[in-house]
Amino acid sequence: DSGVTQTPKHLITATGQRVTLRCSPRSGDLSVYWYQQSLDQGLQFLIQYYNGEERAKGNILERFSAQQFPDLHSELNLSSLELGDSALYFCASSAAGTSPSYEQYFGPGTRLTVT
Amino acid sequence: ILNVEQSPQSLHVQEGDSTNFTCSFPSSNFYALHWYRWETAKSPEALFVMTLNGDEKKKGRISATLNTKEGYSYLYIKGSQPEDSATYLCAFRDSSASKIIFGSGTRLSIRP
Repeated sequence: DSGVTQTPKHLITATGQRVTLRCSPRSGDLSVYWYQQSLDQGLQFLIQYYNGEERAKGNILERFSAQQFPDLHSELNLSSLELGDSALYFCASSAAGTSPSYEQYFGPGTRLTVT
Repeated sequence: ILNVEQSPQSLHVQEGDSTNFTCSFPSSNFYALHWYRWETAKSPEALFVMTLNGDEKKKGRISATLNTKEGYSYLYIKGSQPEDSATYLCAFRDSSASKIIFGSGTRLSIRP
């Protein structure tokens, strides 16, 4: 158990809908990262938040957005869902912002299925 | 376009044998390289974070080296055990710290 929690574990929704995925980092960690793993692609970095502010941005679609709240939990919002958005979404946390020396701890993931 | 490549894609090794695999990454704008171990139906688990050219890190029977000038890192497993069966992922972070690029992984299977 990494100490990172994600809810829900599974989510099934229809195209065009909007969903929110939630992540709570390990106690004391200030950074939260979001990743997407689709069937046909490897792990893709979406976005990083550090202490409430966006720190780094990867291949995140404009239909997707994220935020980190004062209690450091984070939410990933996915809107106008398409079939291709079906994937496993991981959240990870680390103690640091951009310092490279810190490990990232991954949550169990949320499996999103868009029908 | 930043590209991170891992080789081989898959590897079958006899229990007790040692093995190694490679992660190749851009040799410019290096910031950090992460290695992860990812078992089926679980989440990636951090093995090493490597930041300096020439870094060598070790955790039990697993070790890693880093060459940032030529853009590669090796992961070594000594005396493979069945519990080492997993996909090993590397991830490159560039010096802008804004990009994290994962390789496609090396899938390791240990034959008892």
